[in-house]
Amino acid sequence: GDSVTQMEGPVTLSEEAFLTINCTYTATGYPSLFWYVQYPGEGLQLLLKATKADDKGSNKGFEATYRKETTSFHLEKGSVQVSDSAVYFCALSDSGGGADGLTFGKGTHLIIQP
Amino acid sequence: DSGVTQTPKHLITATGQRVTLRCSPRSGDLSVYWYQQSLDQGLQFLIQYYNGEERAKGNILERFSAQQFPDLHSELNLSSLELGDSALYFCASSVEGTSGELTDTQYFGPGTRLTVL
Repeated sequence: GDSVTQMEGPVTLSEEAFLTINCTYTATGYPSLFWYVQYPGEGLQLLLKATKADDKGSNKGFEATYRKETTSFHLEKGSVQVSDSAVYFCALSDSGGGADGLTFGKGTHLIIQP
Repeated sequence: DSGVTQTPKHLITATGQRVTLRCSPRSGDLSVYWYQQSLDQGLQFLIQYYNGEERAKGNILERFSAQQFPDLHSELNLSSLELGDSALYFCASSVEGTSGELTDTQYFGPGTRLTVL
């Protein structure tokens, strides 16, 4: 079945550091890929998405590129802020049309220190 | 604010009991999804409804059931509760495309935290 693997952390960085959170996936079809973020005590918010190979999703300074050859969708940000501290989830949808649930990784807890 | 609402925010109950969690999707969204988030299992898809009909099933236990009503709100019923059912339960809804098709972008509610004692 489908699966998503991501580093679990916690990942601790200083403010303004470069961030990479690795995500790799296994899927039978041609999935759409997502990054969601969960701030303490809140629900999941969609951060960015990509629907086909070589697409780059970006939002709020974060970006991720859909790499079919390495089945990866790594999240990057050039300069993190304390407000980026949260749990980040990589996810995929393998339904090709919106029917079916998302498959999530276990989440990466990111801590940014001032 | 995603526009998806869930009630209650917190629920504390005892083993063996039954509870109902409620979700209202974003205005205009026909599809509702339920997820369970626990420390040991992570985030798991439970079930999806589309316009009142069950559309996909994930790792949902037989003790759990759901339905979607004509006004599109959904309820998740959990019965014969066990300690291991303690978790955050999220509802999500998905945007319908311009030609009526579902897209795979889901918007999540704030969740209901269930504690089984």
